[in-house]
Amino acid sequence: EDQVTQSPEALRLQEGESSSLNCSYTVSGLRGLFWYRQDPGKGPEFLFTLYSAGEEKEKERLKATLTKKESFLHITAPKPEDSATYLCAVQAGGYSTLTFGKGTMLLVSP
Amino acid sequence: KAGVTQTPRYLIKTRGQQVTLSCSPISGHRSVSWYQQTPGQGLQFLFEYFSETQRNKGNFPGRFSGRQFSNSRSEMNVSTLELGDSALYLCASARDQQETQYFGPGTRLLVL
Repeated sequence: EDQVTQSPEALRLQEGESSSLNCSYTVSGLRGLFWYRQDPGKGPEFLFTLYSAGEEKEKERLKATLTKKESFLHITAPKPEDSATYLCAVQAGGYSTLTFGKGTMLLVSP
Repeated sequence: KAGVTQTPRYLIKTRGQQVTLSCSPISGHRSVSWYQQTPGQGLQFLFEYFSETQRNKGNFPGRFSGRQFSNSRSEMNVSTLELGDSALYLCASARDQQETQYFGPGTRLLVL
């Protein structure tokens, strides 16, 4: 059974204080690992897809990396508008189903 | 390009009733998946439709069903509602199977 564990559950940062969110996974034949951002009362917003170990992708203050067992979402010099819940999901080969972690709730204070 | 749209956005029902939720995918997207999101369980997969056929189903009772139309629009139905069905129901569309899924805003269902 595919499993995704995200840590920490919640993270509070000061504006400008860089940090990383972790996503550990077990999956039978990873096809892709996805990062989404979700604001309260809204649907998840797509951020990144990573397909193979060693791959990295960047978007503004966010950088996602992937190893064979985990993925990191690095947030550099965060701003209050980066406050949201960040969700990690895996997709196994041959299936479209996304298996999600419980998310990391990030709060960035000015 | 318009995103995924879901209607209605909010719904209040009582136990035993049934409900139908609607999802219009991004233009050109042929795959539609449905997820249930609750505070305790997080996001859980319900089912996926592609070319009007259910391709995969999650671990939910038969009270949960869905369908997809020839224009890729999808509906999901929940019969004999239970209190535990209160949740945010999210629809996601993808251009093809196994491609990146884009989510709609969700339908918030409250069962009293």
